[in-house]
Amino acid sequence: DIQMTQSPSTLSASVGDRVTITCRANQSISSWLAWYQQKPGKAPNLLIYKASTLESGVPSRFSGSGSGTEFTLTISSLQPDDFATYCCQQYNSYPWTFGQGTKVEIK
Amino acid sequence: QVQLVQSGAEVKKPGASVKVSCQASGYTFTSYDINWVRQATGQGLEWMGWMNPNSGNTGYAQKFQGRITITRNTSINTAYMELSSLRSEDTAVYYCARRVAAGGTPLGYWGQGTLVTVSS
Repeated sequence: DIQMTQSPSTLSASVGDRVTITCRANQSISSWLAWYQQKPGKAPNLLIYKASTLESGVPSRFSGSGSGTEFTLTISSLQPDDFATYCCQQYNSYPWTFGQGTKVEIK
Repeated sequence: QVQLVQSGAEVKKPGASVKVSCQASGYTFTSYDINWVRQATGQGLEWMGWMNPNSGNTGYAQKFQGRITITRNTSINTAYMELSSLRSEDTAVYYCARRVAAGGTPLGYWGQGTLVTVSS
């Protein structure tokens, strides 16, 4: 199975901050990487797929980059609604696997 | 609009089985795979398996092989996930989900989740 490792596990930031989350795969997944946002008690919400393609309706302050084994999610200017948990997922091959999540907290 | 509506919460005893349903609407049910993902409280997401509703073909994570069965009823646009030999570690919220589009895309549509509690 492909292992996905995110860092950091928790991130404290303020409104307006630029935030970057990293996701690493233990083998190449090309660009078959997605980022999700999840809030307590809710299903995950797709933000980005194919490493850098913004899902329809997702604000442009979210962006993704990377290929192969290293990927990043960037929020250019953190908004109050962005305090949540973010996780990456590889869909290069089954079994699909997820990172353990990064919780973005209010500083 | 695409909707996936899951069945309600379940409480089961260790060793029992649970069957969660996922009714699809707003699209052609047989055109997109249905996946099942679970999440224990405070933990990350865990992919369990997929099914092609057209053919009935399935694929399961090795971890669940022998305990999981994903089926469908195309007449009512519903997918089912049955997990047997339940143990306390299976206590989690179970989600069904569909790809954004056919092929090359991840899970863009999710059910609301079904809490399964395994307790004696």
